[in-house]
Amino acid sequence: AQTVTQSQPEMSVQEAETVTLSCTYDTSENNYYLFWYKQPPSRQMILVIRQEAYKQQNATENRFSVNFQKAAKSFSLKISDSQLGDTAMYFCAFMITINAGNMLTFGGGTRLMVKP
Amino acid sequence: SQTIHQWPATLVQPVGSPLSLECTVEGTSNPNLYWYRQAAGRGLQLLFYSVGIGQISSEVPQNLSASRPQDRQFILSSKKLLLSDSGFYLCAWRGAGNSPLHFGNGTRLTVT
Repeated sequence: AQTVTQSQPEMSVQEAETVTLSCTYDTSENNYYLFWYKQPPSRQMILVIRQEAYKQQNATENRFSVNFQKAAKSFSLKISDSQLGDTAMYFCAFMITINAGNMLTFGGGTRLMVKP
Repeated sequence: SQTIHQWPATLVQPVGSPLSLECTVEGTSNPNLYWYRQAAGRGLQLLFYSVGIGQISSEVPQNLSASRPQDRQFILSSKKLLLSDSGFYLCAWRGAGNSPLHFGNGTRLTVT
């Protein structure tokens, strides 16, 4: 079974600064996908960024980037130039592709507070 | 473009009453469909998923059931709600291949 661990229940950062959220996972699979989702106070789940395990290049989406270390099974999210609207719960998720269901396994989440 | 609709947005039900939450997807065919539950301040727990009409897989045995009467319709039900059924319920879909999950806006259920 796959597990996803987010070791930081809560974090805070000053507006305009950079913050890194940690995520580790455990799997014996070689082909998989990793995602970061954002859940603002509205509670809608929003996809932030995705990474394919077979790609060595780290994914980037504007101010959001990942540091994917496959050997270490680590998938951290870096938010640059933090904005007040980045305040949210952030979930790391893992997906394997061995069955038609292709279910995602989520970590427990990290609550990020951006302070003005 | 694809959209997902989930309703109602909020629901307050007494213990022992039935439940029906509905989710529909537009703009795609044969999606994989999912029901997740999120307890307050915690992560997501997968309840059910479906890869086709009438095909339901349950991840956690409990007081709930799911059905997929049409290709793009996914329903979460209960015959008798328990206090422990309170939570935030999210419907999600994903397409073929390795596309990510796309979530509905969720339903906040309070069982009193």
